[in-house]
Amino acid sequence: AQSVTQLGSHVSVSEGALVLLRCNYSSSVPPYLFWYVQYPNQGLQLLLKYTTGATLVKGINGFEAEFKKSETSFHLTKPSAHMSDAAEYFCAVTRGNLNNNDMRFGAGTRLTVKP
Amino acid sequence: KAGVTQTPRYLIKTRGQQVTLSCSPISGHRSVSWYQQTPGQGLQFLFEYFSETQRNKGNFPGRFSGRQFSNSRSEMNVSTLELGDSALYLCASSPPGLADEQFFGPGTRLTVL
Repeated sequence: AQSVTQLGSHVSVSEGALVLLRCNYSSSVPPYLFWYVQYPNQGLQLLLKYTTGATLVKGINGFEAEFKKSETSFHLTKPSAHMSDAAEYFCAVTRGNLNNNDMRFGAGTRLTVKP
Repeated sequence: KAGVTQTPRYLIKTRGQQVTLSCSPISGHRSVSWYQQTPGQGLQFLFEYFSETQRNKGNFPGRFSGRQFSNSRSEMNVSTLELGDSALYLCASSPPGLADEQFFGPGTRLTVL
């Protein structure tokens, strides 16, 4: 079975600082990896995903993530935090079975951005 | 294209009652998945429906059930509600052949008193 672990349930950064949210995965097959963002009282919105090919993936709102097989990691970064980035972020993994939803989520990381 | 819609957005019930939540997927999407989100357990997969058939199920008791209609709309039902069922219930739909492309609705916030 596949799973993800998000390191740090809360991360606080200053506006303009680098954002780094950590995610490590476990999977018996090449994984598909995702980052979602959730704003208060809303559903999840896909930020970016890695399936195959280029290991550096760019997403919406200036976020990007790099798939590192040797480290089993898929950390999310943004060079400069904005107040509007304050939200909860979820890392997720699937086995890439396109006909069956087997997505598993991490526990989430709440990002706070200080002025 | 309209997004995934869920009704109602908020619901208050008492222990022992039952509840039905509704989800309308994005037009053309035939897969609908349900998740329960709580502060303690995080996001947990409930079940997935495709073409009116349940094709995947999480580890929840039989009090949690669902169905899907021919127009792909889905409902989930929770019977004999317990305090621990208080949660945000999220629905997500996927286009055909792309089960990993999930589009989430805003959720239904269920409070059990």
